[in-house]
Amino acid sequence: KNEVEQSPQNLTAQEGEFITINCSYSVGISALHWLQQHPGGGIVSLFMLSSGKKKHGRLIATINIQEKHSSLHITASHPRDSAVYICAVSNTGNQFYFGTGTSLTVIP
Amino acid sequence: DTGVSQNPRHKITKRGQNVTFRCDPISEHNRLYWYRQTLGQGPEFLTYFQNEAQLEKSRLLSDRFSAERPKGSFSTLEIQRTEQGDSAMYLCASSLSALAGEQYFGPGTRLTVT
Repeated sequence: KNEVEQSPQNLTAQEGEFITINCSYSVGISALHWLQQHPGGGIVSLFMLSSGKKKHGRLIATINIQEKHSSLHITASHPRDSAVYICAVSNTGNQFYFGTGTSLTVIP
Repeated sequence: DTGVSQNPRHKITKRGQNVTFRCDPISEHNRLYWYRQTLGQGPEFLTYFQNEAQLEKSRLLSDRFSAERPKGSFSTLEIQRTEQGDSAMYLCASSLSALAGEQYFGPGTRLTVT
């Protein structure tokens, strides 16, 4: 079993839809990270959070430490949001564990 | 500083050959990580450095793999006697915070072993 599980694996949405990607983890963590990976490999860090909620523009990330669960929400989705979204967790030993990613396609 | 850079971006090699990849982190970052990513999977941790010290190595890092960061700046990852199973994207990331802070990723080196 992977330390980090994401769902769904693939997601197709119409432009403007509200999108939710879920992440569950099974290890103790010091932080949870949401990453965005575009075709060609480049990875960009979207959020790093250890509690509560963070918001950047149309992106919102939440974490529930007790339930070991996080969600990434995209409001008013746009085709340029199409990418793979990866959840990762880090522990105090600086090990990072990654989910397999959610491939999002937003159709105009 | 324009971010984390990796060279080469692509490498095609024949099975049995040795390859070396380079990563230049963001200059003030003291932590440097290497990951491997295969198609459809998330990155897998290989190793990381705090300055020039290699502090953690994954079980994935067989004895054919070696990484160095001699002066605490750039790092190299060498794979000896490459196998077809080594074909993957090799990603480097760096961070500043001592507490598993936000990582900045390089563009990766895509290795194809024929």
